[in-house]
Amino acid sequence: DQQVKQNSPSLSVQEGRISILNCDYTNSMFDYFLWYKKYPAEGPTFLISISSIKDKNEDGRFTVFLNKSAKHLSLHIVPSQPGDSAVYFCAARDPGTYKYIFGTGTRLKVLA
Amino acid sequence: DGGITQSPKYLFRKEGQNVTLSCEQNLNHDAMYWYRQDPGQGLRLIYYSQIVNDFQKGDIAEGYSVSREKKESFPLTVTSAQKNPTAFYLCASSKGRRDNQPQHFGDGTRLSIL
Repeated sequence: DQQVKQNSPSLSVQEGRISILNCDYTNSMFDYFLWYKKYPAEGPTFLISISSIKDKNEDGRFTVFLNKSAKHLSLHIVPSQPGDSAVYFCAARDPGTYKYIFGTGTRLKVLA
Repeated sequence: DGGITQSPKYLFRKEGQNVTLSCEQNLNHDAMYWYRQDPGQGLRLIYYSQIVNDFQKGDIAEGYSVSREKKESFPLTVTSAQKNPTAFYLCASSKGRRDNQPQHFGDGTRLSIL
């Protein structure tokens, strides 16, 4: 059973507009959440993270929102740029094992 | 520059052969991880190590083995018992199990069957 889900396999957004990527999780004990960006044939690059004690974290164009009651995580990219086109993975940490559990990814395409 | 180095970038395995994927980090991280990525899927954890000379099985450890004799190194052996080894393998490290610090990833090794 998948504990971290990204239900949208792909998303297309116009340059300059907002990109919203979503992630749902099932385990309310997860204590740390991360977003990674990945290009083909490369390793994921860390983007932004949030602790379970917060509901928002911002870094430049990237903002992560955490809704613990809904077990929902989202990444907002504003404004979107063509260079943002990549696959985005969300991940959650299990504090019991310190394992990181990844979603299946969302492919973002930013159209110029 | 500090980082994680995986080698080789591409690797081919013959039937019945064991192959070893290298992962080295100079970030002074305590924890290291091996993941497998298949097309259209997320990263699945094979093995992880929180400290030298200790490691634990992840979700898909069958057919794989690891060692952690040095802090900097966490090699993964894909044994002949792994019947479907074709995948993209990623190594990662993080500062420590209790730190809210992200994992850092290498650039991966693509393994294919001849």
